[in-house]
Amino acid sequence: AQSVTQLGSHVSVSEGALVLLRCNYSSSVPPYLFWYVQYPNQGLQLLLKYTSAATLVKGINGFEAEFKKSETSFHLTKPSAHMSDAAEYFCAVTLNSGGYQKVTFGIGTKLQVIP
Amino acid sequence: DGGITQSPKYLFRKEGQNVTLSCEQNLNHDAMYWYRQDPGQGLRLIYYSQIVNDFQKGDIAEGYSVSREKKESFPLTVTSAQKNPTAFYLCASGTVGNQPQHFGDGTRLSIL
Repeated sequence: AQSVTQLGSHVSVSEGALVLLRCNYSSSVPPYLFWYVQYPNQGLQLLLKYTSAATLVKGINGFEAEFKKSETSFHLTKPSAHMSDAAEYFCAVTLNSGGYQKVTFGIGTKLQVIP
Repeated sequence: DGGITQSPKYLFRKEGQNVTLSCEQNLNHDAMYWYRQDPGQGLRLIYYSQIVNDFQKGDIAEGYSVSREKKESFPLTVTSAQKNPTAFYLCASGTVGNQPQHFGDGTRLSIL
């Protein structure tokens, strides 16, 4: 079985401050991990994904995430928050099992950016 | 530009009524998915399809039905058996063996 836990359903940061959104996973086999972003009344957009290559993954819009096996974590970071980063962020996990990959999503973290 | 189109954006259902949500993609993706999103619960998989004329139940398929007669289209019917249909429904597509890569902008379903 696989699951993800996103710590903090709401996170507030000041514009220009570091963004850190936390995600911990549970998986019995090496996982694939993803971060998606959702703007209000829109679908999800893939920010980045980890597929067992480099442990530090760079994504779009200046975001990156680091896979830490020892901590079972895949936290999302951005050095300097912009107002346009205000959205909901979802961490997701799937098993590297070939064929259909069942993706399990976290409950999401809403990021508020304060001017 | 390629993408996924969901329609309508807002939909209202009366008691005992079936409603169908449309999902069309022009990305040439074989795999398509339907998710339900409720506040504080993330996304839950309703149905998925990896090839035309084949589809599989997800985690919460009860009260829903789908068809996949064309590669581009994957409509979802919310039947009267679904007692709590109020939610935001998202359609997605991707290449087989990968995660959902593109999402539509969703349909918000409410009960009259």
